[in-house]
Amino acid sequence: GQQLNQSPQSMFIQEGEDVSMNCTSSSIFNTWLWYKQDPGEGPVLLIALYKAGELTSNGRLTAQFGITRKDSFLNISASIPSDVGIYFCAGPSGTYKYIFGTGTRLKVLA
Amino acid sequence: KAGVTQTPRYLIKTRGQQVTLSCSPISGHRSVSWYQQTPGQGLQFLFEYFSETQRNKGNFPGRFSGRQFSNSRSEMNVSTLELGDSALYLCASSAGTSGRREQFFGPGTRLTVL
Repeated sequence: GQQLNQSPQSMFIQEGEDVSMNCTSSSIFNTWLWYKQDPGEGPVLLIALYKAGELTSNGRLTAQFGITRKDSFLNISASIPSDVGIYFCAGPSGTYKYIFGTGTRLKVLA
Repeated sequence: KAGVTQTPRYLIKTRGQQVTLSCSPISGHRSVSWYQQTPGQGLQFLFEYFSETQRNKGNFPGRFSGRQFSNSRSEMNVSTLELGDSALYLCASSAGTSGRREQFFGPGTRLTVL
């Protein structure tokens, strides 16, 4: 099935470091959603992006559209151990349907 | 507000059997979407229902079906189970209108087919 490409696939970082990940699509999106998923649980919505050119924040998390609107970036500042998990991006594909990224697995070293 | 609930959380079935999964959306949400999540394929869209009507369908065989009730609760059914149907099945609810389109996920049902 169709998927969005996320990079990096996985990353180890030290507690306190800033993290950046991105998601790319072959199409222009007017909406980007970012989720975090813990093992055995459903994805939790972190940030919803609707307006290109603006930063949208949720605590230590910040996301924005890329310049071409075919990509999006998620940044986490001052990472903590509970940031461990898999981060997914999602964008609308046609009507009433979302496609999801391949995921970025984040591991934080205390 | 209560979140999205899914039952059961875990299921073990054997090949050839059928299974029904249930999802109750967030109160006031009229759209329910179903996804299959596997390590190899990631999150794949199954179908979306709004006001008891299927509005979109993913690329899955006809063994996968769903429905939505007047209270917005939804069920999905998989008939003639195959080993490859083992997956985490996720339900997501949203307001379903053309405005803000955030989807909120339930905890999922882990289906194992033996």
